[in-house]
Formats: sequence, structure tokens, C-alpha cells
Amino acid sequence: DAKTTQPTSMDCAEGRAANLPCNHSTISGNEYVYWYRQIHSQGPQYIIHGLKNNETNEMASLIITEDRKSSTLILPHATLRDTAVYYCIVRSGNTPLVFGKGTRLSVIA
Amino acid sequence: DVKVTQSSRYLVKRTGEKVFLECVQDMDHENMFWYRQDPGLGLRLIYFSYDVKMKEKGDIPEGYSVSREKKERFSLILESASTNQTSMYLCASSLSASAPEAFFGQGTRLTVV
Repeated sequence: DAKTTQPTSMDCAEGRAANLPCNHSTISGNEYVYWYRQIHSQGPQYIIHGLKNNETNEMASLIITEDRKSSTLILPHATLRDTAVYYCIVRSGNTPLVFGKGTRLSVIA
Repeated sequence: DVKVTQSSRYLVKRTGEKVFLECVQDMDHENMFWYRQDPGLGLRLIYFSYDVKMKEKGDIPEGYSVSREKKERFSLILESASTNQTSMYLCASSLSASAPEAFFGQGTRLTVV
């Protein structure tokens, strides 16, 4: 059974913020939220992860709701190169990554 | 930068052949993984390894085996290739079992005819 639910696809205008939602209502206390993306013809790439606090790095920000049942990945200024499939993954510390279908983000000029 | 290298980008094999897909990582990572990716099904875990000579079944191990004789190399073996094993195969590695970041290779697109 899928642990996360994401929209199948989204569009975003170039230069605008892309906000990608993820529902994980059955998340356990020891499970982290991870985001990866896969650009066409490449392997997946790690973006960010968090437990309960909001996180930011050079690529993106991760906002996790207080009840931890959902999160949002924010790409602050989307570019054409951000067009990819984005995967939200819930994982406890020592288990392999299990990928769902992800959200296909199209950044439009 | 961590590099995960898969030996072939494209491979065409005949039904019944024994196929070896090789993956090498250069950062002394403990963990290595094999996934396959198919349209509509996403990435599915085949096998993984947390240490040399150790292996664990993933979600779809049937028809596959693996070998990890050295830390840096993780091989996926199709004992008798079948057409339903035509797929994109992706190898990944991570520093440890709890490491947050996994690094993926570019993938091998295998076609079994």
C-alpha cells in the first residue's frame, strides 16, 4: 500500500515558486519525509528530507505540517531544468527507499 | 562527487541468456540497491545489500539474483532472461543503512528479445 499520495502532474511558470504537496496521513513517529526527483533519462536525485521541523537547503524548502500528515516541497524560483518527476517518500531510518508514482512537474517558459 | 557507474547504458539480450548488470560505486558506501523502472509502475526494489556478501530481497526478486563480493561492486544477475524483464535498471548506493541520501547511476536499459 502506498504510504504517500501525490498529484499526478502539475505545471509551474518559470521563475515562480513550485509548491508540490504530499499526503502521508499514516506516517509513524520515527519516519522521515524524503523528496527525490528524476529528470528525464537520469537516475533519481536526492533533494531534501525532514522529520518534523521545516528544512531548507540550496535546492528547496520542505514544510511539514504540525501533525506530520502532509508536507510541501517548495522550489522557490523554478527553472526549465526543474522539469522532472518528484517523489515524496516516507521512510524509517534503516529501510530502503520505496518510490511511488510521484508528481510530474512541468515548468513552462 | 559520489559516482555510481553502471557498466552499460543500453543492452540487448536474447531470451534464455544469462545476463549480468554491473554497478560500481567509488565512495566506500556500505549499502547498494537494484531497482527496475517501468512505465506506470515506477521504481521497484529488486535486491539490496548492506554489506559485502550480504543480500536482502526487495519487493520483486523473482527471476533475479545478486552478487556482492567486493564492497564497491554490486551485480544483478538474470539467470535466464525473459521478455518481461525488459526494463530500465537502476543501481544506487548509500553511505550507511540510516544515511538520508542515496546516489543513483544513470541506468541500464535492457531489452530482451
